[in-house]
Amino acid sequence: EAQVTQNPRYLITVTGKKLTVTCSQNMNHEYMSWYRQDPGLGLRQIYYSMNVEVTDKGDVPEGYKVSRKEKRNFPLILESPSPNQTSLYFCASSPAGGNPDGYTFGSGTRLTVV
Amino acid sequence: GQQLNQSPQSMFIQEGEDVSMNCTSSSIFNTWLWYKQDPGEGPVLLIALYKAGELTSNGRLTAQFGITRKDSFLNISASIPSDVGIYFCAGPVSGSRLTFGEGTQLTVNP
Repeated sequence: EAQVTQNPRYLITVTGKKLTVTCSQNMNHEYMSWYRQDPGLGLRQIYYSMNVEVTDKGDVPEGYKVSRKEKRNFPLILESPSPNQTSLYFCASSPAGGNPDGYTFGSGTRLTVV
Repeated sequence: GQQLNQSPQSMFIQEGEDVSMNCTSSSIFNTWLWYKQDPGEGPVLLIALYKAGELTSNGRLTAQFGITRKDSFLNISASIPSDVGIYFCAGPVSGSRLTFGEGTQLTVNP
């Protein structure tokens, strides 16, 4: 089944403790992206990647890092999480240059930073 | 980034009622997308619109691409409880990048 898999689904952590949220897709998509969802603000893009070793900042990149060493994986790294990063995070992928209707989203990771 | 303004922010309706929501932008879009997010899941594409003035249906859902290319509308007819969720409009900003509206939270009372 074609899908985007995120892990973990839920995570509670403490301020300053480094964490990684993994994202993997099995559709051979070139494009991958991370969004955060907050009430009243919709989905805001954090980082995106057009292909292996090509990443770029989205609209809200502060406090986050990403890497794209393999086509299928696009982990989101929080080096020193803070409470304002408490949010619902989504990974998405699509074929590069394809129709914008080709996005597939993961099921989300709910992160709480205390 | 480019802003999409979506309204209303939330709606509380009775089962069987029709629903209408819209999305506006200060910039022109060549494509408008409508997504639905079920509780606990990621957004799923409902309808894609590619041409100004286009009207497209998907079951009880109908969406329109505004003539000015700066707005879009989504209508749901005869709502049912499983229509509950958050509805997002979205448009491409460059290449494969999408920008999203703030979302409309729909609650349907049986």
